Amino acid sequence: DQQVKQNSPSLSVQEGRISILNCDYTNSMFDYFLWYKKYPAEGPTFLISISSIKDKNEDGRFTVFLNKSAKHLSLHIVPSQPGDSAVYFCAAKSDVGGGSNYKLTFGKGTLLTVNP
Amino acid sequence: NAGVTQTPKFRILKIGQSMTLQCTQDMNHNYMYWYRQDPGMGLKLIYYSVGAGITDKGEVPNGYNVSRSTTEDFPLRLELAAPSQTSVYFCASSYPLTGAIYEQYFGPGTRLTVT
Repeated sequence: DQQVKQNSPSLSVQEGRISILNCDYTNSMFDYFLWYKKYPAEGPTFLISISSIKDKNEDGRFTVFLNKSAKHLSLHIVPSQPGDSAVYFCAAKSDVGGGSNYKLTFGKGTLLTVNP
Repeated sequence: NAGVTQTPKFRILKIGQSMTLQCTQDMNHNYMYWYRQDPGMGLKLIYYSVGAGITDKGEVPNGYNVSRSTTEDFPLRLELAAPSQTSVYFCASSYPLTGAIYEQYFGPGTRLTVT
C-alpha cells in the first residue's frame, strides 16, 4: 500500500522552462513534507520542505505547493537548469509512538532531465 | 565535517554469508536510520535509532540487525544474506531540534549484491 505516490517516473524539460514534479499521498496523519534530490551514486540531499499548516514554501528557484484537501503537493523549479537533472523524491513525515519520534515515507521518485 | 559516511561502497556476497554495513556521522545527531532502495522504488526504512542504546524496527526489518553503542555509529548486520537483500543501502541521521526540522542527512550508500 503506497502512501506516497509519484506517478510520473520521468520528466523531460528544456533549460529555462518550468519543471513541475507531482506527489500524492493518502495518509491524513502526514503533517510535514520534504523533497529530496538524488544524483547517481550519491545519497539523497534535502531540497525543500513544507509544513501541513502552509500551502506554499519558496527557496530561490524552488517552490513547493501543498493542497491539503486534495492530498497533493508539487515542486516547481523555475528556471530549470541542466544541473537540476536528478531523481527527485517526495517524502512525508508522520509521528511514531510518543515523544518526538517520527518517520519519513518516501515516494518512488521522478527522474528529471533538463535538456540544454 | 564529513557528515554521514558509509563503508563499503560496494560488496558482493554469496547466499548465506554475513556482513556488517558501517555507518558513522560526525554531526552529533541523535537520530539515525537505515534505508534500502530497490530499483525503481522509494526508500524503505529498515531500522532506526533515537539515541545510543535505543533501536527500533522500521517497515522492512526482517533479515537485519542493528546496534547503537555510540552516538556516532550505527552498523547494520546481515546474518544470512539472501538474493532479496540485493539493494542499495543508505544510512541517514537527523537531529530534530535544529532549524532544519525533520531533514535527514544521507550517506553515499552501499551497493550490495547477493548471488
